[in-house]
Amino acid sequence: NAGVTQTPKFRVLKTGQSMTLLCAQDMNHEYMYWYRQDPGMGLRLIHYSVGEGTTAKGEVPDGYNVSRLKKQNFLLGLESAAPSQTSVYFCASSGTWGGGNEQFFGPGTRLTVL
Amino acid sequence: DQQVKQNSPSLSVQEGRISILNCDYTNSMFDYFLWYKKYPAEGPTFLISISSIKDKNEDGRFTVFLNKSAKHLSLHIVPSQPGDSAVYFCAVLVGNKLVFGAGTILRVKS
Repeated sequence: NAGVTQTPKFRVLKTGQSMTLLCAQDMNHEYMYWYRQDPGMGLRLIHYSVGEGTTAKGEVPDGYNVSRLKKQNFLLGLESAAPSQTSVYFCASSGTWGGGNEQFFGPGTRLTVL
Repeated sequence: DQQVKQNSPSLSVQEGRISILNCDYTNSMFDYFLWYKKYPAEGPTFLISISSIKDKNEDGRFTVFLNKSAKHLSLHIVPSQPGDSAVYFCAVLVGNKLVFGAGTILRVKS
């Protein structure tokens, strides 16, 4: 099993450009998440999904959109990238919700917006 | 305002000694806590967790202690090994979501 994979690993964008980050998991997990990690701030939840066809906002959703058309995939979109979105993005999935929830993380996507 | 605080950005420990990583939280209603470990260029991996009905949970060299009255938890690693050098994140379950601290960089010197 590959676990959680993310595409691409690195990307450089110019301000105003758009892009989509792809997350895939092969563990048949219901729940998927997108986080961003910035220096000194830990991981912050952007959006999450509790199942195929559902999405919900996390702590820092502005400037991002998501879609979960298939259970195994969770896409994060940036419609008009800004320098403030320079960060490392992590996708995660879990099979349960609440106590005992162990989230499995992908390797991350390092995004730079110039 | 940060709900989960890791006030030590870094910690350096000699191989074989104990590493103690600390975490404070703000809300006494929080009832489930986790520690994640992260190596450079990799995603975080789950390490150990504890429910508020316990004050201690052990898994091999790793032990997490919870002090509910002080709203404080700590992760003890005994004995520390060079392979433990990583960033350690404390996290708390808030409703249906995880809220992470800023992380502590642990360096274990051989």
